[in-house]
Amino acid sequence: RKEVEQDPGPFNVPEGATVAFNCTYSNSASQSFFWYRQDCRKEPKLLMSVYSSGNEDGRFTAQLNRASQYISLLIRDSKLSDSATYLCAVNSNYGGSQGNLIFGKGTKLSVKP
Amino acid sequence: NAGVTQTPKFQVLKTGQSMTLQCAQDMNHNSMYWYRQDPGMGLRLIYYSASEGTTDKGEVPNGYNVSRLNKREFSLRLESAAPSQTSVYFCASSSIRLAGNEQYFGPGTRLTVT
Repeated sequence: RKEVEQDPGPFNVPEGATVAFNCTYSNSASQSFFWYRQDCRKEPKLLMSVYSSGNEDGRFTAQLNRASQYISLLIRDSKLSDSATYLCAVNSNYGGSQGNLIFGKGTKLSVKP
Repeated sequence: NAGVTQTPKFQVLKTGQSMTLQCAQDMNHNSMYWYRQDPGMGLRLIYYSASEGTTDKGEVPNGYNVSRLNKREFSLRLESAAPSQTSVYFCASSSIRLAGNEQYFGPGTRLTVT
C-alpha cells in the first residue's frame, strides 16, 4: 500500500454540484493532515488543515477517519473557480519535530457550466 | 510579506551544466524544503532543512546538493544536470501550528535539461 493515495480523477461536475474526494494513508501514527489546491502551472496552496473533529470553511468541509485511515474533502455548491487539482498531505515519521509531509498525487476537479 | 520566493522562474540547461536554484522566505520559518513535481509522480521531496544549520536527504536526493545559507535562504544545486532532472522544482517552508507542519510553497522553477 502506498503511503498516501488519491483517486486521480478527473472529476467532471456541473456548477452547483457537491463533490467529495477521499485520500487514504498508510501510517497509522500520522497526526497532521492537510488539503492543498494546485492550479495549472502554479504552486500548491494550503486549502485547509484537517482536524480530528472535522472542520468547515465556507463551502469546504474536511473530515478525518482514523479507524479507516482516510481524510475527505467535501465541496458544496461547486463554482467554476473550484476547478483545480486537490492534493492531500499527511505527516510522516521522519524529518523535523513533527515529521515531513507526504503528498498524494492529487485529484483533478473540473467544474463545468 | 512576499512569502516564499524562488529564482529563476524558468531555466534551460544543457546536459552536464550546473546551476543553483535560489529560495528565500520571509515568514521566519524554521524548516525549508525542496521538492520536484513530475507528471504522474506527484511532489517528491529532494532535501529538507529542519532548522538553520541542518540539512537532510529526502526521497530523491541523487544528483542534488543543498545549502541552508541562513534562516531565510535555502538553495538547491545541480552539479551536472541530466535530462532526468527536467522537472518543476518547488521550495517550501513551514511552521508548526496547531494543526501540525503547515507548508507554504514558492511559485516554482521550471527546468528543462536538453
